[in-house]
Amino acid sequence: DAGVTQSPTHLIKTRGQHVTLRCSPISGHKSVSWYQQVLGQGPQFIFQYYEKEERGRGNFPDRFSARQFPNYSSELNVNALLLGDSALYLCASSLGQSSYNEQFFGPGTRLTVL
Amino acid sequence: AQTVTQSQPEMSVQEAETVTLSCTYDTSENNYYLFWYKQPPSRQMILVIRQEAYKQQNATENRFSVNFQKAAKSFSLKISDSQLGDTAMYFCAFMLVSGTYKYIFGTGTRLKVLA
Repeated sequence: DAGVTQSPTHLIKTRGQHVTLRCSPISGHKSVSWYQQVLGQGPQFIFQYYEKEERGRGNFPDRFSARQFPNYSSELNVNALLLGDSALYLCASSLGQSSYNEQFFGPGTRLTVL
Repeated sequence: AQTVTQSQPEMSVQEAETVTLSCTYDTSENNYYLFWYKQPPSRQMILVIRQEAYKQQNATENRFSVNFQKAAKSFSLKISDSQLGDTAMYFCAFMLVSGTYKYIFGTGTRLKVLA
């Protein structure tokens, strides 16, 4: 089975632009979470979606938004990009939203904001 | 709020030797999970081992084992018979059993296994 996939792999944007990152969960997984990993730090939680509804949100500004589609894939949108948004964006999927369910991470999208 | 601290930014170990990575956490909750994740260079993060806080027995997975000290809020990872493929960033993570389904990660320990 294919693991969690993310696209694009790398992305370069300039300040003020908008970006959309995509995630396809493992088949059968209904929960998708997004994390931001700034270089040299651990991942920071951004959002969790389960059954197309937002179930959790981290301490990120409203410039960050996400959604989950009927096929459980997900998009993360970031508006008005800042230099500080440069990071590796990780998507993780799990079978359900119980903390007992293991989360499986994708390879990430490396976003560079110039 | 919960926090996770990894005080060893970098470590190295000789192949076939044993190494222990440290992690401490802070929470006022009683029901939670603790995890160690491995992030190899340019590769995706994978789960190494998981510990349920209600279990007193330390979790083990082949060469990987933990020393879970709930009262001390300590959760260290021991890697035995280290292999070159163990070279990676290791993240300690915390998750509440209930509430928002999110990991809280430490800042990571970069482990290098030397031939």
